[in-house]
Amino acid sequence: RKEVEQDPGPFNVPEGATVAFNCTYSNSASQSFFWYRQDCRKEPKLLMSVYSSGNEDGRFTAQLNRASQYISLLIRDSKLSDSATYLCVVNGAGGFKTIFGAGTRLFVKA
Amino acid sequence: GAVVSQHPSRVICKSGTSVKIECRSLDFQATTMFWYRQFPKQSLMLMATSNEGSKATYEQGVEKDKFLINHASLTLSTLTVTSAHPEDSSFYICSARGAVEHEQYFGPGTRLTVT
Repeated sequence: RKEVEQDPGPFNVPEGATVAFNCTYSNSASQSFFWYRQDCRKEPKLLMSVYSSGNEDGRFTAQLNRASQYISLLIRDSKLSDSATYLCVVNGAGGFKTIFGAGTRLFVKA
Repeated sequence: GAVVSQHPSRVICKSGTSVKIECRSLDFQATTMFWYRQFPKQSLMLMATSNEGSKATYEQGVEKDKFLINHASLTLSTLTVTSAHPEDSSFYICSARGAVEHEQYFGPGTRLTVT
């Protein structure tokens, strides 16, 4: 089993749609969690951290479920510019080793 | 957010030559730097982790004699791909983490093509 697993997609959605991604992780001792966005042929960029209490940033909502060992990202009112690959990132025990999921590709179409 | 630069952004070299990639944290001190490799349509794969002034910790399957990492200062780490071969062609990305930061900041990446 991979340490971090994501549905690779692609998710093809129309503008304005709501789309959700899930990510599961295997190490219950994992400390911190993030969602990154990566555009084609570019470096990953931090989208948001994920907290146990859940957090929201504009159209983006991230949640963490430690009991089930998954994190989620919800995007509301999708924009064309949201098209990218979304990477689930988990920091291991002690926050030292970072594991990336393979990413979920999103295409938002007009 | 913090800024990390990489140089060069793109390099083409002949098989058997060595290539050095620099990673710099521009506005913070990076106690830890990470080197990743990403093949087309694949996820980022951690190659090694380095702390300033100490030897890098390599992931399983990554040859430390082939991928030389030097983290000589709190703002600079270098990755040298020695005796490069076509299968080393990839997108190499560094990231840096400061002592008080929990997130990593990524460099823009270096696209290496070995002919």
